[in-house]
Amino acid sequence: DGGITQSPKYLFRKEGQNVTLSCEQNLNHDAMYWYRQDPGQGLRLIYYSQIVNDFQKGDIAEGYSVSREKKESFPLTVTSAQKNPTAFYLCASSSPGQGKGEQYFGPGTRLTVT
Amino acid sequence: AQSVTQLGSHVSVSEGALVLLRCNYSSSVPPYLFWYVQYPNQGLQLLLKYTSAATLVKGINGFEAEFKKSETSFHLTKPSAHMSDAAEYFCAVSHYTDKLIFGTGTRLQVFP
Repeated sequence: DGGITQSPKYLFRKEGQNVTLSCEQNLNHDAMYWYRQDPGQGLRLIYYSQIVNDFQKGDIAEGYSVSREKKESFPLTVTSAQKNPTAFYLCASSSPGQGKGEQYFGPGTRLTVT
Repeated sequence: AQSVTQLGSHVSVSEGALVLLRCNYSSSVPPYLFWYVQYPNQGLQLLLKYTSAATLVKGINGFEAEFKKSETSFHLTKPSAHMSDAAEYFCAVSHYTDKLIFGTGTRLQVFP
């Protein structure tokens, strides 16, 4: 089955530690996205990548980093510089130009930092 | 700049009642519009989309939405609510790109 996988489902870290969230897709999509979701705020775009080895900052990129070395993979690192990292993180992908904006979402990772 | 406004962060209906979730967008050009549904602790699933074809769009699970350019609206409706419809619903807009702008969401509660 084609889709997007995110692991782990739940992640716990101590303050000051970097943590990497995994996102893998087998939909052969060129574009991938990372969103952060907080209660009452909808989804906010962190980073996106439209092609391998290229990515752009979204609206709230500070304290985050990404890489796009393979088409299927778009890991997100939450660094210790992110002031409030506890949130639900969603990865998505799309096929540029074909879906007119339609994105496919993974199941999400809930990160808790204490 | 594009934006999406969802009126009402919480909507409650009785089972069997009409569901109406409101979405207004701001745009200087015709947009593409989407409704997504999110069940607790899950990702988003596409309910339906408007991409400049028919203005009345039918989606999954009996939902539909009507694009009204004069009102810059794309409200989501379902004639008869079911308990399984309880979830959070997001309206989103894009303009000829694959970047989506999301509303803040509406949580739908369905009472027996």
